[in-house]
Amino acid sequence: AQTVTQSQPEMSVQEAETVTLSCTYDTSESDYYLFWYKQPPSRQMILVIRQEAYKQQNATENRFSVNFQKAAKSFSLKISDSQLGDAAMYFCTWASGTYKYIFGTGTRLKVLA
Amino acid sequence: DAGVIQSPRHEVTEMGQEVTLRCKPISGHNSLFWYRQTMMRGLELLIYFNNNVPIDDSGMPEDRFSAKMPNASFSTLKIQPSEPRDSAVYFCASRTTGGRQETQYFGPGTRLLVL
Repeated sequence: AQTVTQSQPEMSVQEAETVTLSCTYDTSESDYYLFWYKQPPSRQMILVIRQEAYKQQNATENRFSVNFQKAAKSFSLKISDSQLGDAAMYFCTWASGTYKYIFGTGTRLKVLA
Repeated sequence: DAGVIQSPRHEVTEMGQEVTLRCKPISGHNSLFWYRQTMMRGLELLIYFNNNVPIDDSGMPEDRFSAKMPNASFSTLKIQPSEPRDSAVYFCASRTTGGRQETQYFGPGTRLLVL
């Protein structure tokens, strides 16, 4: 069975600094997708970034980038120039070609002014 | 484009009452998911529809929960009778299938409190 592990329940970062959130997963499949979702206090689940396993190039979206290490089954999220609005719970998520999405337990990010 | 729309955003009800949550998926999306989020259990998949047909309802807690999708633009999740342990945030999400479009888009959620 697939699992997603986020070992950091909580992280803090100073405004304008860089922070990296960790995620590891376990799967025997070779073709899958990985996502980071952000959940601010409003509880809305917002897609931050998406990575397809067959692509070697790491995905980037403005200040957000990932370090995807397929062999190590690692998918970390780097947030550069952190802003107060980045404060949220972040969920690492795995999906394959079915409808099953495996969510991690989340990392709460605090941004300090 | 409008995202996934859910109503109501907040619902407070008393134990034993019927609760109906509504969802309008993104136009053109043919897959719809209902999730429940609690502190104890995280995000749980309740039911999955594809082309308006329920494919997997194994996550529905018990017979008190039911879901329908009468057409491609509307779905409901009903709880009857409601219990305090049903208090949670309920999310609807949709996606398109085919090609390599596996991204789920979530609605804003319905925060349900059963007293």
